[in-house]
Amino acid sequence: SQELEQSPQSLIVQEGKNLTINCTSSKTLYGLYWYKQKYGEGLIFLMMLQKGGEEKSHEKITAKLDEKKQQSSLHITASQPSHAGIYLCGADSPGTASKLTFGTGTRLQVTL
Amino acid sequence: SAVISQKPSRDICQRGTSLTIQCQVDSQVTMMFWYRQQPGQSLTLIATANQGSEATYESGFVIDKFPISRPNLTFSTLTVSNMSPEDSSIYLCSVGQAHQGPQHFGDGTRLSIL
Repeated sequence: SQELEQSPQSLIVQEGKNLTINCTSSKTLYGLYWYKQKYGEGLIFLMMLQKGGEEKSHEKITAKLDEKKQQSSLHITASQPSHAGIYLCGADSPGTASKLTFGTGTRLQVTL
Repeated sequence: SAVISQKPSRDICQRGTSLTIQCQVDSQVTMMFWYRQQPGQSLTLIATANQGSEATYESGFVIDKFPISRPNLTFSTLTVSNMSPEDSSIYLCSVGQAHQGPQHFGDGTRLSIL
């Protein structure tokens, strides 16, 4: 079965600083999804990556999928308190009808 | 994206009782899933809710403990049966279209068992 490892597990950054979260898969990624979860709440979809080398940006968040499709990164530029939460990567596999396996999660705190 | 309403948002239950969680979507969706998130952990898929037929359960989850219904393309329920403190978790439903785009999640049900 596919396993997703995220690093770091937790992160505390000062407001305005940049940060990167990594997601490494034990198998080649078919589709990679990034979600944000505010503490104790549901997941908010951020971005989806499917092609090797693909990069997508939305506001101050950029997600990349490496050429080999086994690693993805999420980069936040000039972090704000609103970026605080838990970031989760999720992956699906061909033939699984969109079932998602989730990474271990990264807890982000942004200090003033 | 679809608007997903999950109820209740939270509950505190007694050991040995059962609770049914509802997930309502404002549009027809092909796929509906139920996940569990134990305290401090990531999400684990419980089952895929199949419209008009029995749900497909993942390893470690059984129908007697987590019966699921999906009578149509916009609604599903998950029941957590004979609850114990180990069932204290956030339960989340998600929806999507098969092989198309991301899943979208409800706000979750935070369940505590005393």
